[in-house]
Amino acid sequence: DSGVTQTPKHLITATGQRVTLRCSPRSGDLSVYWYQQSLDQGLQFLIHYYNGEERAKGNILERFSAQQFPDLHSELNLSSLELGDSALYFCASSVGTSNEKLFFGSGTQLSVL
Amino acid sequence: QQQVKQSPQSLIVQKGGISIINCAYENTAFDYFPWYQQFPGKGPALLIAIRPDVSEKKEGRFTISFNKSAKQFSLHIMDSQPGDSATYFCAASDPAGGGADGLTFGKGTHLIIQP
Repeated sequence: DSGVTQTPKHLITATGQRVTLRCSPRSGDLSVYWYQQSLDQGLQFLIHYYNGEERAKGNILERFSAQQFPDLHSELNLSSLELGDSALYFCASSVGTSNEKLFFGSGTQLSVL
Repeated sequence: QQQVKQSPQSLIVQKGGISIINCAYENTAFDYFPWYQQFPGKGPALLIAIRPDVSEKKEGRFTISFNKSAKQFSLHIMDSQPGDSATYFCAASDPAGGGADGLTFGKGTHLIIQP
């Protein structure tokens, strides 16, 4: 068990809808990274938050947004969903701002029908 | 643009054999190269990592070999066991963002160890 908790494990929704994915980092970790995993693109970095502030953006669509709350949990919001957004979404946490030694959660499987 | 190319996509090795997975990168600024192991239904977990100032790092049955001039690195699993069956990802980090940027991952290798 990595200590990173993601909910829900599975999410099924329709095109055009909006969903929220939640991540609780390991105790003591201040950084949360979000990744999208798909068969064709592999693991793609979306966004990184450190202690409530956005630190880096990757290949995140404008329809997607994230935030990190004072208790350090993070939420990834996906809106105007398209079929192509179906993927496994992971969050990972680390102690500091570095991407070394990331601890991944078990992911949220999103299916857009 | 795929900055880290991983091969093979899938690999079948007999129990006790050596599993070898290769990665090549393009960005010469990369300065940290981890390997992650992922089991079905789980997230990736850090297995072993190397920096370009050394050519090899060994941890138990797992070894990373690093060739800076060729911009390649590989994972060797000695005495491969059925429990090693998983998907393996190589990755790389660009220090330009102070480590804040996410890792750049290869597309993964699905490894099966046959008993």
